[in-house]
Amino acid sequence: KQEVTQIPAALSVPEGENLVLNCSFTDSAIYNLQWFRQDPGKGLTSLLLIQSSQREQTSGRLNASLDKSSGRSTLYIAASQPGDSATYLCAVSGANNLFFGTGTRLTVIP
Amino acid sequence: DVKVTQSSRYLVKRTGEKVFLECVQDMDHENMFWYRQDPGLGLRLIYFSYDVKMKEKGDIPEGYSVSREKKERFSLILESASTNQTSMYLCASSRQGANYGYTFGSGTRLTVV
Repeated sequence: KQEVTQIPAALSVPEGENLVLNCSFTDSAIYNLQWFRQDPGKGLTSLLLIQSSQREQTSGRLNASLDKSSGRSTLYIAASQPGDSATYLCAVSGANNLFFGTGTRLTVIP
Repeated sequence: DVKVTQSSRYLVKRTGEKVFLECVQDMDHENMFWYRQDPGLGLRLIYFSYDVKMKEKGDIPEGYSVSREKKERFSLILESASTNQTSMYLCASSRQGANYGYTFGSGTRLTVV
């Protein structure tokens, strides 16, 4: 069964820093990989979707990369802001399911 | 803006009650999903549906059932609520096919007392 791991579990950075969140998965036979943001007590907001044939996707200050053969993805956040504080989840898509990591809780200190 | 709407943000129910969690999407998506999210366990799939009146068990279907009578609506039913079903419940939808991502609702925090 697919296993998804996110490291670190928590990260605290000063405002303005660039940062990288990591995601690894055990089975490279994925359809796509999606990064989500979750604020406390709220639902998931999709940030970026990378198809299995793609290497990266960008949206504003966010850039996600995918190396399917090594089972890794990174989410790069440029010039972090306090409003970026949230839990970030990566999920890989199988045939009928998304497999989630347990997330990285990010705190950006003003 | 596309949306998945969950009817309740917070619910408190008593042990043994029958509980209905409703989810509606306005994107004409074929697939709909119910997950529960618990600290340390992440998100786990309860049930999903790929068409009207169709349903498939996920990883943790015990104690739950679902109903999909219309394409846009997917209901999760707790037949007899128990305290170990206290959790955050998240509904999601997606288009059929491998190229599409999932859209999630805002979640329902259910407490069973």
